[in-house]
Amino acid sequence: DAGVTQSPTHLIKTRGQQVTLRCSPKSGHDTVSWYQQALGQGPQFIFQYYEEEERQRGNFPDRFSGHQFPNYSSELNVNALLLGDSALYLCASSIQGRETQYFGPGTRLLVL
Amino acid sequence: GQNIDQPTEMTATEGAIVQINCTYQTSGFNGLFWYQQHAGEAPTFLSYNVLDGLEEKGRFSSFLSRSKGYSYLLLKELQMKDSASYLCAVRPFSGTYKYIFGTGTRLKVLA
Repeated sequence: DAGVTQSPTHLIKTRGQQVTLRCSPKSGHDTVSWYQQALGQGPQFIFQYYEEEERQRGNFPDRFSGHQFPNYSSELNVNALLLGDSALYLCASSIQGRETQYFGPGTRLLVL
Repeated sequence: GQNIDQPTEMTATEGAIVQINCTYQTSGFNGLFWYQQHAGEAPTFLSYNVLDGLEEKGRFSSFLSRSKGYSYLLLKELQMKDSASYLCAVRPFSGTYKYIFGTGTRLKVLA
């Protein structure tokens, strides 16, 4: 039973560039949440997707956008990258109506 | 506002018992989670409490008091591999899908 997978594992970008991160949820899961985790901090909620729609968003600017596909996989897009966007980006999947979220290994983004 | 507090660091000896506390102040409560996160890795689910009391799962137990806004994670028979960060997270109310995480407690287990 495959767990949550994310790609790429690491990424280096420069300020102003755009990046797309990908996530495949755990088998049987239909809901995907994205989190940003800065070094030494807890994960911060970016948004959650269910039924191909963003249904809740955290305190992140519109530069952060996402998408969910019919197979439940998801993408996180960040435009106009800033140095402060350097972080570990975590995807978590769950089943609608159930509480527990399961995390993927994350994508470590470095913005230079 | 929403606030979750955990100690930043703790140190314990192999074979001992350690208790990691978490206090929260949130607009509503619909469940508390504990996750383990090794350095550079993803958080791994440990436990979920929504009712008051103790939930035991092997060497790990988690306790919740909703009236006090308080939880703890108890780790028994500590092993070196338990050295990790332990994250406390709360789902504030049933109408939200947002989980609020604390900054985590970094546990060092010494031989």
